[in-house]
Amino acid sequence: SAVISQKPSRDICQRGTSLTIQCQVDSQVTMMFWYRQQPGQSLTLIATANQGSEATYESGFVIDKFPISRPNLTFSTLTVSNMSPEDSSIYLCSARQFTEEAFFGQGTRLTVV
Amino acid sequence: DAKTTQPPSMDCAEGRAANLPCNHSTISGNEYVYWYRQIHSQGPQYIIHGLKNNETNEMASLIITEDRKSSTLILPHATLRDTAVYYCIVFLGSSNTGKLIFGQGTTLQVKP
Repeated sequence: SAVISQKPSRDICQRGTSLTIQCQVDSQVTMMFWYRQQPGQSLTLIATANQGSEATYESGFVIDKFPISRPNLTFSTLTVSNMSPEDSSIYLCSARQFTEEAFFGQGTRLTVV
Repeated sequence: DAKTTQPPSMDCAEGRAANLPCNHSTISGNEYVYWYRQIHSQGPQYIIHGLKNNETNEMASLIITEDRKSSTLILPHATLRDTAVYYCIVFLGSSNTGKLIFGQGTTLQVKP
């Protein structure tokens, strides 16, 4: 099973600023994903991070707000841009090797004040 | 990917078996049933998955009906640490998209 590390684990940010969340996997993986979990809710998929190309965003999420990078097969970043209190959530990174189960990081708990 | 329906909450006595149902009546022939759980403040944890046959691992058993329209996750001897939200997800395991779409899940409360 893959081990996924996310940084930071939590942060408190001022509205209008941006935060970049890092996701490191301990082995090469085919697919990486970013999820958002708002308080008391289930997980919502933001996008699939594609290695070497632009991320694929789900309905309701746009690149300007959530730019994503994936420079190689073990690392990805998610930036939450121009934050507002509504962006306060847990952001989770997930990784999956083709045909195998997906694994998740412990999440980044973001509070926007 | 097929949609799943789960009860929003269930209780179970510690030491007893927890049986968590999931309906997936629109599942297609090549879609898998996956189960994950999320313990409070942690990332989701993979439990088990299956296609047609019943599956068992060190954590749980998965019983899939013959018509594959429903399944049951069984935790044979629930402990307090099994208190979590359990998600049943149906998806095409070999798909290039490979993305998991989470429903609302079942909140399992294991009581002493």
